[in-house]
Amino acid sequence: DQQVKQNSPSLSVQEGRISILNCDYTNSMFDYFLWYKKYPAEGPTFLISISSIKDKNEDGRFTVFLNKSAKHLSLHIVPSQPGDSAVYFCAATINTGNQFYFGTGTSLTVIP
Amino acid sequence: EPEVTQTPSHQVTQMGQEVILRCVPISNHLYFYWYRQILGQKVEFLVSFYNNEISEKSEIFDDQFSVERPDGSNFTLKIRSTKLEDSAMYFCASGRIGGVLYEQFFGPGTRLTVL
Repeated sequence: DQQVKQNSPSLSVQEGRISILNCDYTNSMFDYFLWYKKYPAEGPTFLISISSIKDKNEDGRFTVFLNKSAKHLSLHIVPSQPGDSAVYFCAATINTGNQFYFGTGTSLTVIP
Repeated sequence: EPEVTQTPSHQVTQMGQEVILRCVPISNHLYFYWYRQILGQKVEFLVSFYNNEISEKSEIFDDQFSVERPDGSNFTLKIRSTKLEDSAMYFCASGRIGGVLYEQFFGPGTRLTVL
């Protein structure tokens, strides 16, 4: 039951370039989406979110795009920095916000 | 900055034993969650807790699992009779009303190893 999918397990990007992390979902009832970053031996840390009524949300170097018709969201990091190297999870929820569905994560490596 | 804490960081137990994983959520948060991540797999929702009762639980959260907020500060996950497949990283999270809606703050996790 993989309602949220991150099909790229890993991504390598040069420092200063754009990192694009992708996420697909199957449940059209999802109305809120979040991205989390996780370093080894730590819990996930919230990064950025987007409501289904929007198609873009920006916070500094991080921008999340939502394409509801394609059931696809992406996280753009510009410019990428070595400290961005981590595993990134996308997550989705339905309006109660009680149950979150996570993807399997994408490991981003930013090469100095 | 307030943070969610979890103890112990690593718990080793024998199959069939009971374990209690402890969490101290951020003090003004009202929603509490447990997740687990089996090595190399996705983070899986187990249960959410609000107003001293379970709000929602996944199919993973069977009768072997229970949660409790015994004293208004701790939030515990109990596994009554551990199985080998319960070996995973268990994350506690808490959330507040207002601010970034639905944002959850995660603890560092407890690694449970069942032998």
